[in-house]
Amino acid sequence: KTQVEQSPQSLVVRQGENCVLQCNYSVTPDNHLRWFKQDTGKGLVSLTVLVDQKDKTSNGRYSATLDKDAKHSTLHITATLLDDTATYICVVGDRGSALGRLHFGAGTQLIVIP
Amino acid sequence: DMKVTQMPRYLIKRMGENVLLECGQDMSHETMYWYRQDPGLGLQLIYISYDVDSNSEGDIPKGYRVSRKKREHFSLILDSAKTNQTSVYFCASSLLGTGGSISNERLFFGHGTKLSVL
Repeated sequence: KTQVEQSPQSLVVRQGENCVLQCNYSVTPDNHLRWFKQDTGKGLVSLTVLVDQKDKTSNGRYSATLDKDAKHSTLHITATLLDDTATYICVVGDRGSALGRLHFGAGTQLIVIP
Repeated sequence: DMKVTQMPRYLIKRMGENVLLECGQDMSHETMYWYRQDPGLGLQLIYISYDVDSNSEGDIPKGYRVSRKKREHFSLILDSAKTNQTSVYFCASSLLGTGGSISNERLFFGHGTKLSVL
């Protein structure tokens, strides 16, 4: 059974617009949550990691939130660029290091159009 | 420049043939992983390696084996490939952060190997 659900499956936005990607999970324990960006035909690149019960991070135009009570995370991308076109993957770790099991979502495919 | 390198990038094999996927990292990371990625699914862990000759099964090890004789090199082997092993295979390595903080831990992925078994 899928333990990490991402929505929407795909999203099209115009360059310059903001967007929000959602991640809901049922993984227990939920030690930390990561967001990755995967360009087509490439490997995953880490964007951010969230650890606290209610956490917020910011990395340039990317910001993320985590609410462990709700088992929910969001990734916000502001002022999107064409290069933001990619698949964004939510990953929940059940232990305090990558040596623990990582649970991957299927990803949200973001397409940014001119 | 820290990176994980996978070879080959693309591979076509016939059912029953043996397959060797290679992965290298230049960061002296102890822990390395093999995942497969299928459409509509999240990455699934095949094997994890904690160091040379210290390997453990992941979630879907059946039909696969691994070899790690040097810290910087981790191989995935398919003996007698099957059509349902057609997938994109990713290798990754990880470095624990200072003080063991998960916030400082970094995961590095290779570009993937697209394997087609006909």
